Amino acid sequence: NAGVTQTPKFQVLKTGQSMTLQCAQDMNHEYMSWYRQDPGMGLRLIHYSVGAGITDQGEVPNGYNVSRSTTEDFPLRLLSAAPSQTSVYFCASSYSYGGYGYTFGSGTRLTVV
Amino acid sequence: GENVEQHPSTLSVQEGDSAVIKCTYSDSASNYFPWYKQELGKGPQLIIDIRSNVGEKKDQRIAVTLNKTAKHFSLHITETQPEDSAVYFCAASTGNAGNMLTFGGGTRLMVKP
Repeated sequence: NAGVTQTPKFQVLKTGQSMTLQCAQDMNHEYMSWYRQDPGMGLRLIHYSVGAGITDQGEVPNGYNVSRSTTEDFPLRLLSAAPSQTSVYFCASSYSYGGYGYTFGSGTRLTVV
Repeated sequence: GENVEQHPSTLSVQEGDSAVIKCTYSDSASNYFPWYKQELGKGPQLIIDIRSNVGEKKDQRIAVTLNKTAKHFSLHITETQPEDSAVYFCAASTGNAGNMLTFGGGTRLMVKP
């Protein structure tokens, strides 16, 4: 059982480039979310989804897009990368709403130069 | 929205001693309080959680206490071991659909052998 798989593990982008961070889960969880982790700030919610075809914004959504075409996949797109988006990104899935039973992926460390 | 503050940001203890990490939250509607442990290079992993109808919960060397009146909750680790060294995050949620977890800033715990 793989759980939550994130790719890539590391990425360096130039300012203005775009890219997609991949997230896939094999637990048939309805609820998925993306967080970014910055030193001293904990994890902040970017976007979340409560099921296929349904997404919504979190605390820090600007500069990011998401879609949820299947239950398994929840990709995060950076449209035009900025140095302020340098961070570690975590995808999580859950069997229930409200944050119960989160399973996190191992993260993507993104550097924008 | 919800605001979760966590203290201390770093904590160093001798092996065998106890460690206590404290969190306060702002939204009186919050009713779910998980704690996560993050080891270097990995995603956060749920170690214990508590719901608002319970004042204390224990799992072997780990315990969590909740004071809803004061809006604070704490993680207690007894008989600390070097493998307890990690970053610990508290979080809070109202448990409603669409309201995901709000995290504290994290505590780096170092257990000295």
